[in-house]
Amino acid sequence: KAGVTQTPRYLIKTRGQQVTLSCSPISGHRSVSWYQQTPGQGLQFLFEYFSETQRNKGNFPGRFSGRQFSNSRSEMNVSTLELGDSALYLCASSGRLAEQETQYFGPGTRLLVL
Amino acid sequence: KNEVEQSPQNLTAQEGEFITINCSYSVGISALHWLQQHPGGGIVSLFMLSSGKKKHGRLIATINIQEKHSSLHITASHPRDSAVYICAVNGNQFYFGTGTSLTVIP
Repeated sequence: KAGVTQTPRYLIKTRGQQVTLSCSPISGHRSVSWYQQTPGQGLQFLFEYFSETQRNKGNFPGRFSGRQFSNSRSEMNVSTLELGDSALYLCASSGRLAEQETQYFGPGTRLLVL
Repeated sequence: KNEVEQSPQNLTAQEGEFITINCSYSVGISALHWLQQHPGGGIVSLFMLSSGKKKHGRLIATINIQEKHSSLHITASHPRDSAVYICAVNGNQFYFGTGTSLTVIP
């Protein structure tokens, strides 16, 4: 089985722009979670989608949003980028809800905001 | 206030040593995860625990729900075990520890 894929792998944006990141889960997986990792804050949970519904959300501002499509692929959008949004964005998939099953992580998208 | 605390933050060991990484949490949880992250960012889920103990190869993870504590043990450590080990818990959302950076010297 192919693993979790994320595109793009690297991205450079400027402040005020918006960005969309994509995550394709392992075939058959219905849960996709998104995480932000920075040197200062470490790993933080953004949100989880299951069967196209946002099931859980972390403590991030409304500029961070996501969605999941019927094929379980998920996108994450960040609007009005700030310098502090520079981070590694990871997605993870599992067959059932993330709390019920091991998650498989993608390689991440490294976003740099200038 | 951190919902998940890990110790130690950094750990250097000689090849072959027995290693223990500790994790304490303050929230109610449905499961606890141990993750491994190698340089470059890739994360691998090592264990998901809701009670007791799990073993995979040279890795052993235990959890004590009453004491809100978990440990990750590596027996006969090897340089390829060098990585950051992260404890994460499923509370009302996912909470992560800050990680333990392990270096195993040949």
